[in-house]
Amino acid sequence: QVQLQESGPGLVKPSETLSLTCTVSGDSISPYYWTWIRQPPGKGLEWIGYIYYSGSTNYNPSLKSRVTISVDTSKNQFSLKLSSLTTADTAVYYCARDRSYADGFDIWGQGTMVTVSS
Amino acid sequence: QSVLTQPPSVSGAPGQRVTISCTGSSSNIGAIYDVHWYQQVPGTAPKLLIYGNSNRPSGVPDRFSGSKSGTSASLAISGLQAEDEADYYCQSYDNSLSVVFGGGTKVTVL
Repeated sequence: QVQLQESGPGLVKPSETLSLTCTVSGDSISPYYWTWIRQPPGKGLEWIGYIYYSGSTNYNPSLKSRVTISVDTSKNQFSLKLSSLTTADTAVYYCARDRSYADGFDIWGQGTMVTVSS
Repeated sequence: QSVLTQPPSVSGAPGQRVTISCTGSSSNIGAIYDVHWYQQVPGTAPKLLIYGNSNRPSGVPDRFSGSKSGTSASLAISGLQAEDEADYYCQSYDNSLSVVFGGGTKVTVL
């Protein structure tokens, strides 16, 4: 059974950089797309970006200047870095698997709450 | 403001049929991209409900069905049950292969 698990700090300060990791278990990280999605409290889902197992990326234009997603196939992990944090970045952050554009996000992590506050 | 437009809420009595619309444009749903639907019970991660416009993953009851026409898509829930009370999101892609979501629809079982 494929499982995803997010890990990282629950509290970060404004202007700092958030680093989250998603560990994939039960399957190889290839040949899929791996995505980060967030959900501010009480609001809807917002796509952050995705990475193909080979390393190519695509980011939300509204976040592109602050986002970096990377993959480590040897560890079966992919990671998110989001810089210049503000309180608007407070959200539950999810990682998810996308087998293809026709298949949707079929596997999700449980999500990790990140609060941006001084 | 979400790229795909959904009604904020729909409601129905147990056993009834409800539908949720998802309206996009020629650069996303109206292009070649499929629409997917997710169910999110508060406090939990979203769950894939419909993929490729109308396909159900294993384990999803056949009470849930999806369709796509032109620049819009719809999710129908027939035989509404109390356990269907949740938030539902549609998702597709745009011409830059960016992921786009609807704003979400809260389904209330009366």
